[in-house]
Amino acid sequence: EPEVTQTPSHQVTQMGQEVILRCVPISNHLYFYWYRQILGQKVEFLVSFYNNEISEKSEIFDDQFSVERPDGSNFTLKIRSTKLEDSAMYFCASSGKDTQYFGPGTRLTVL
Amino acid sequence: GIQVEQSPPDLILQEGANSTLRCNFSDSVNNLQWFHQNPWGQLINLFYIPSGTKQNGRLSATTVATERYSLLYISSSQTTDSGVYFCAVVNTDKLIFGTGTRLQVFP
Repeated sequence: EPEVTQTPSHQVTQMGQEVILRCVPISNHLYFYWYRQILGQKVEFLVSFYNNEISEKSEIFDDQFSVERPDGSNFTLKIRSTKLEDSAMYFCASSGKDTQYFGPGTRLTVL
Repeated sequence: GIQVEQSPPDLILQEGANSTLRCNFSDSVNNLQWFHQNPWGQLINLFYIPSGTKQNGRLSATTVATERYSLLYISSSQTTDSGVYFCAVVNTDKLIFGTGTRLQVFP
């Protein structure tokens, strides 16, 4: 069964550093998403992406965040200058029409 | 924005017991999904259920969209059912997650 994959599974970085989280969505899906989950809290929407552009973003997704689909398979989330409060699990998701399928997540720890 | 509330927040069961988890949402939605977050943090799709009833093995779900709630039934619970159960509703393009129900099943 096709699945969403994410790399790395864990990332530890120093405050102020840039990180890039990578995702490979399900191959025939057209809609892509990033969500995050701070430890012990609910999952929060960050951004959705369709047809090579952002279709919606949340208040969390400020100028420090960007997304890109550099080729036909990868979908990336970049955080330019990480803050302590960016520590969270980041999930990528994709959908073809209705159901969103989630990747296993990248746990980001900012020290 | 849409509010999604789940109850109960915590549930402790002995293996073999049945349970019902509830999800209430504050406005009309196009879509609703149930997820199981396992102890490793992975979000596993359980159901896509904007309305009606679906069953998958020991799990079933019912959504009554006109009354703005959904129920997830777990029968004959097993220790592997432990984790957090989230419902999430679609608003425009994004999923809005509920607060979750943490389930612990003991042998």
